[in-house]
Amino acid sequence: DGGITQSPKYLFRKEGQNVTLSCEQNLNHDAMYWYRQDPGQGLRLIYYSQIVNDFQKGDIAEGYSVSREKKESFPLTVTSAQKNPTAFYLCASNGRGAGELFFGEGSRLTVL
Amino acid sequence: GDSVTQMEGPVTLSEEAFLTINCTYTATGYPSLFWYVQYPGEGLQLLLKATKADDKGSNKGFEATYRKETTSFHLEKGSVQVSDSAVYFCALSSPTSYGKLTFGQGTILTVHP
Repeated sequence: DGGITQSPKYLFRKEGQNVTLSCEQNLNHDAMYWYRQDPGQGLRLIYYSQIVNDFQKGDIAEGYSVSREKKESFPLTVTSAQKNPTAFYLCASNGRGAGELFFGEGSRLTVL
Repeated sequence: GDSVTQMEGPVTLSEEAFLTINCTYTATGYPSLFWYVQYPGEGLQLLLKATKADDKGSNKGFEATYRKETTSFHLEKGSVQVSDSAVYFCALSSPTSYGKLTFGQGTILTVHP
């Protein structure tokens, strides 16, 4: 079955460490997105990529970095520069109509 | 810029009650409108959509009508079930947003037997 796989599902990090969240899709979609979810704030866009080897900053890109070397993969690195990294991170892809996103099950990052 | 405002929750209902979750938006041009649902511990799923004024999106007994005059896209269901308990997000995609979505803050719905 086609879908989006995020890993790990849960991740704990010490302050000052970088961590990378994996996102893989087998839907053959060109566009991929990373959103951050915090309670009561909805989803906020971190980065997006519309094609391999190209990506753009979203609304809250500071302290994050991404790469898009393969169509199937869009990993997100949460760097030590991110001041408040504890959150639920959601990866999505879009290969159909505008706004019709397929989401992964998310990765919950906790900074200790 | 684009924005979406949802009614504040949480919303608690008894099974078979009528559900309304209000959603209003601000956008340039003519956006497409969406409702997404998030079940506990999962990612989001597209529930329904409408792409132009007066369109009605529907799925699984849920409905929402694109009202341009009131810039609204309220979600309704005539008879909720316990299995409808989830977080509901209203969202929009503007023609110039390259497929990006702007989300509301989400409304938690809990349905009791």
